[in-house]
Amino acid sequence: EAGVAQSPRYKIIEKRQSVAFWCNPISGHATLYWYQQILGQGPKLLIQFQNNGVVDDSQLPKDRFSAERLKGVDSTLKIQPAKLEDSAVYLCASSPTGLNTEAFFGQGTRLTVV
Amino acid sequence: AQTVTQSQPEMSVQEAETVTLSCTYDTSESDYYLFWYKQPPSRQMILVIRQEAYKQQNATENRFSVNFQKAAKSFSLKISDSQLGDAAMYFCAYRRGPGFGNEKLTFGTGTRLTIIP
Repeated sequence: EAGVAQSPRYKIIEKRQSVAFWCNPISGHATLYWYQQILGQGPKLLIQFQNNGVVDDSQLPKDRFSAERLKGVDSTLKIQPAKLEDSAVYLCASSPTGLNTEAFFGQGTRLTVV
Repeated sequence: AQTVTQSQPEMSVQEAETVTLSCTYDTSESDYYLFWYKQPPSRQMILVIRQEAYKQQNATENRFSVNFQKAAKSFSLKISDSQLGDAAMYFCAYRRGPGFGNEKLTFGTGTRLTIIP
């Protein structure tokens, strides 16, 4: 079974530029999560999708971050314009529908804003 | 809101020895899940072990076991016979459920485990 795929693995941009990350979840997984992991901290949820609907985006800085999951499969997370404090690892995870399921994580995208 | 606290930023252990990583959490819920995840330099979060709050028996997975103290809101991870491949960041995580569906994970700040050959 293929795992959660993310690209790119690394990205370096200048502040005020825009950037996009892509995630392809495990086939059949209805729930998709984007987490932000700042160096020295644990991951923090940015947004959660159930199929193509948003379940939780309370921690997403909506003035600069946006995410979509068209057709309920793969997803993109965009930052525009980027700030220095956006430097982090962006992790995508997915889980199947059910009450007693676990989340499977991708390898993340390390973003450096200079 | 739920919080997860890991008070040990770094731990080290001699190869083949046993080490215990600590985690405490705060919640008003009675039903929830607790997890330990391992994050090697590859950055991928790998599930090590899971505990359902309604189960009194502590979970075990080969060399990994937990000490779940629900009243004290404590959830420690014991790694026996430590191996070089166990070196990684370890995160404790909390999730509401099962009645809440596919809820988000709330993570602690992590413990960096070093294995000394």
